[in-house]
Formats: sequence, C-alpha cells, structure tokens
Amino acid sequence: AQSVTQLGSHVSVSEGALVLLRCNYSSSVPPYLFWYVQYPNQGLQLLLKYTSAATLVKGINGFEAEFKKSETSFHLTKPSAHMSDAAEYFCAVSDPKGGSEKLVFGKGTKLTVNP
Amino acid sequence: GAVVSQHPSRVICKSGTSVKIECRSLDFQATTMFWYRQFPKQSLMLMATSNEGSKATYEQGVEKDKFLINHASLTLSTLTVTSAHPEDSSFYICSAVAGTGYLDTQYFGPGTRLTVL
Repeated sequence: AQSVTQLGSHVSVSEGALVLLRCNYSSSVPPYLFWYVQYPNQGLQLLLKYTSAATLVKGINGFEAEFKKSETSFHLTKPSAHMSDAAEYFCAVSDPKGGSEKLVFGKGTKLTVNP
Repeated sequence: GAVVSQHPSRVICKSGTSVKIECRSLDFQATTMFWYRQFPKQSLMLMATSNEGSKATYEQGVEKDKFLINHASLTLSTLTVTSAHPEDSSFYICSAVAGTGYLDTQYFGPGTRLTVL
C-alpha cells in the first residue's frame, strides 16, 4: 500500500525566505507524485506533478520539487516566499499501475508567511 | 481553467436526516469524479469513485448504503449522506477528471462542511 508522510504540520517562514515543505512516500512501485495547494475556502489546486520524466519538476507560482528515489522524497521548494503563498499544501501519491487516478494524500502542511 | 463547484458550501442538519451534496464541473465534461472526506488536521480520504452512467466504486470501509452517489450526467455527481449522525460531520470534497487519459488532472471543488447536530 502506498502512503505519504509530510513532515511538519505547520511551517512558518519570513517573506523572501526559502520555502521547503517535506514529503516522503512509501510505494512498492515507482510512483507518480503530486503537490496540491489549498487556499482558505477553496478547492485544491495542482502545483506540479512527477510522472517518471525529469526528476526536477517545475510548477506554478515559482514552486518546484525534486524526486529523489534513494531518499523516497519529493520535497517542495520555492526560493523566495511571498505573502500570497500562505496556504495548506498537500503531497499525494498515485500508483501508475493501478489503472486509475486514485490519489493518496498526506496530512498537509500549513504554510505561514510572516512579513 | 477548469472549475468545479460544490453546493452547498456549508450545511447543518439534525441527526437522522439526509443531506445531498452536489458536485458540478462547470466548463468541462467529467466521466470520472471522486468524493473525499477530510477530518480536521487529517488527510483527504478517498471515499468513492463516481463514473457517469455506472455504479460508484466505494473504498474499503465506506458504507454504500449510507453514502449514496449518483453520477447522472457528465457534469454532475451527487453525494447523499443518509440518516446522518454526528460522526458524519466532516468536510466533503469532490474532484473531477478532465480528459480521458490516465492521470489527467483532477480538479477539486471547494468542499462542503457538514455539521450534524
């Protein structure tokens, strides 16, 4: 069974500082990996996804994530945080051989950006 | 971009009553929609997969008779919580898949907060 662990339910950074949100996965097969963002009272929005192509994936809003098989990680980064980045971030994994689009989500990390 | 709406955004009901939640894809057709449940400070848990014109596929542990899903058209799926009880209080989120290929992007609705008194 697949699972996702997001280290840190809350992360706080200063505006302009590096954002690093951690995600580790467990999967018996090479997975597909996703990062979603959820703003208050809104649906989840796809930031980026890894589907076995380039290991460094660039997404929207300046975010990127790197798939590291040896570390079973898919951490999300952004060089310089903006106030508008404050939101909840979810990492998710999907089994590419599962024949469906089912996603398994982590518990989420709430990002706070301080002025 | 693709937009998914949910209605209502919030609902409060008495124990024993039924509540219907609608999920609509506003500008695209979705042959597949998903229903998730999210408890406070927890992950989104997939409840069921809804396919247009066929019966929903429920995840293990989800009661089919309690959570009725109907996907009557390519733009609408409904989740009915029957005989709701306080333990059913949660945040329900739907998503719709745009496209027909595997792993086409899921677009999520804003969620429905259900409170059962």
